Amino acid sequence: DAKTTQPPSMDCAEGRAANLPCNHSTISGNEYVYWYRQIHSQGPQYIIHGLKNNETNEMASLIITEDRKSSTLILPHATLRDTAVYYCIVRVPGIMYSGGSADGLTFGKGTHLIIQP
Amino acid sequence: DSGVTQTPKHLITATGQRVTLRCSPRSGDLSVYWYQQSLDQGLQFLIQYYNGEERAKGNILERFSAQQFPDLHSELNLSSLELGDSALYFCASSPTGTMNTEAFFGQGTRLTVV
Repeated sequence: DAKTTQPPSMDCAEGRAANLPCNHSTISGNEYVYWYRQIHSQGPQYIIHGLKNNETNEMASLIITEDRKSSTLILPHATLRDTAVYYCIVRVPGIMYSGGSADGLTFGKGTHLIIQP
Repeated sequence: DSGVTQTPKHLITATGQRVTLRCSPRSGDLSVYWYQQSLDQGLQFLIQYYNGEERAKGNILERFSAQQFPDLHSELNLSSLELGDSALYFCASSPTGTMNTEAFFGQGTRLTVV
């Protein structure tokens, strides 16, 4: 899996858009960008994923730069319940990694997003 | 609700003991993944089973083992427990042998070793 870099923490005011950046400068052409989040001590929750086009679903939007070296997850109207650790992961879907040890998602330290009332 | 069920939610046991954690995947999902999350570590992938067979292995200790049964539920066995094994243990499931699109995680089992 390509390495990702995320800020350790961010604040955002309730009701505003939360923009979470992720750098993945070594991403390869067939690697997708996935975002998960983990609300305190709960199981991680899938948010969105994409390859190169911008993606949107009911939870968030994913903006991937043209060179694919970075991306931004956007929560359009953040609420207090969006306070969580957000993980950016890049990997090739459907591939069995050599050695068999990395087929599961590899989570880094993520960004702790705190929504302020 | 992700559809993945883990039991028990909490477990307290003494050092040297053995425990079994149970995971029921979402209906129809063939893969089960186990993860460990301790306070000072992120989510660490332990092991994956696909349709009853071990598929991939991560940072799993020799004292730990897992299996997946014909009904696709999985158990993670932790033996000779040490204080450092105290952690949240998550199970995830996906329909195929790899995490293609999205994986669904259970709410975890919090293991405390005293």
